[in-house]
Amino acid sequence: GDSVTQMEGPVTLSEEAFLTINCTYTATGYPSLFWYVQYPGEGLQLLLKATKADDKGSNKGFEATYRKETTSFHLEKGSVQVSDSAVYFCALKTNDYKLSFGAGTTVTVRA
Amino acid sequence: GAGVSQSPRYKVAKRGQDVALRCDPISGHVSLFWYQQALGQGPEFLTYFQNEAQLDKSGLPSDRFFAERPEGSVSTLKIQRTQQEDSAVYLCASSFEGLATDTQYFGPGTRLTVL
Repeated sequence: GDSVTQMEGPVTLSEEAFLTINCTYTATGYPSLFWYVQYPGEGLQLLLKATKADDKGSNKGFEATYRKETTSFHLEKGSVQVSDSAVYFCALKTNDYKLSFGAGTTVTVRA
Repeated sequence: GAGVSQSPRYKVAKRGQDVALRCDPISGHVSLFWYQQALGQGPEFLTYFQNEAQLDKSGLPSDRFFAERPEGSVSTLKIQRTQQEDSAVYLCASSFEGLATDTQYFGPGTRLTVL
């Protein structure tokens, strides 16, 4: 079945450090790929998405590129802030509706 | 409304009690989804509605779980005879149409604790 594997956390960084969270997937067909973020005490929010190979999703300084050849959708940010502390979830959809999520990666950014 | 709302935000039940969790999707959204998120895990799909029709309930863990959306708007997830393993955050999401490229917008969730 469809599945997502993402880097285990927790990840602790200093402000202005570079962040990468690895995500790989297994899917039949051609999935759409998503990164969701869950800030402390809040609900899941869509961070970015890509719907076909080689697409790059970007938002709030975060980027991820849909790599079909490596079945990956790694999340990157060049300079993190304390406010980026959150749990990040990689997810995919191959049919019209069902999201399959990874286990989440907890990121803590220290001032 | 501005976003997906869920109530109650927190629910404590004694083992064996029935509970009902409510979801108000974004106005005009055709598709509605329920997910279950265990502690430290990603959300797991439970069920999907398009308008009032429940098109997929393959993720419901047992026949104690039942969901409905009778008028194609508000949805209720009911859990009968709750068990400790039902403790989780229950998330509701809605999307405009339900296409693969559509964004699903999530509510804040209901945290269910079964004692």
